[in-house]
Amino acid sequence: DQQVKQNSPSLSVQEGRISILNCDYTNSMFDYFLWYKKYPAEGPTFLISISSIKDKNEDGRFTVFLNKSAKHLSLHIVPSQPGDSAVYFCAGINTGNQFYFGTGTSLTVIP
Amino acid sequence: NAGVMQNPRHLVRRRGQEARLRCSPMKGHSHVYWYRQLPEEGLKFMVYLQKENIIDESGMPKERFSAEFPKEGPSILRIQQVVRGDSAAYFCASSPSGWVEAFFGQGTRLTVV
Repeated sequence: DQQVKQNSPSLSVQEGRISILNCDYTNSMFDYFLWYKKYPAEGPTFLISISSIKDKNEDGRFTVFLNKSAKHLSLHIVPSQPGDSAVYFCAGINTGNQFYFGTGTSLTVIP
Repeated sequence: NAGVMQNPRHLVRRRGQEARLRCSPMKGHSHVYWYRQLPEEGLKFMVYLQKENIIDESGMPKERFSAEFPKEGPSILRIQQVVRGDSAAYFCASSPSGWVEAFFGQGTRLTVV
């Protein structure tokens, strides 16, 4: 049962433009949502999080938006840079501290 | 403060052998998670442990796989009688109690030949 879904396996964006990565979830009990970034042959690294009581969190070029009624969150990267090319995973954490990851979206930023 | 340490980074096993994957969480972290990434797939949860306890093993195959996180020492993911389908990257993550984000290790890439 995939509680967190990333329906776009890949995304290509021109350098300098906005990258928007989407994530949908089915579990209303998630307390927090996180985005992780993963380069090939490395472990995922934490990028940004958002509490379920907020609708927006911003950190530099990265902004995460949460729409609880739609059970949808998105990560915006503005402006996109070639070094942002990686696989991005979204995850939800429930009250039991359990992480549920999506299948990932591979972002390619074209110079 | 060293990050999450996984070893070995690469492990090659013949079919039928045992694979032992080790994960040393970050200092002060008492929660450990194991994930598996099959080729062309995302991260799949396997097991969630706290010291000496398995909290959730709903993602673990019922046979051949086991995990432990003893009071002293690293967490171990053990795969007995490996088969080709076990070939994957296995990631461990740890978090301190009550915090939000978990930190991942570099992963162990298991290849079964």
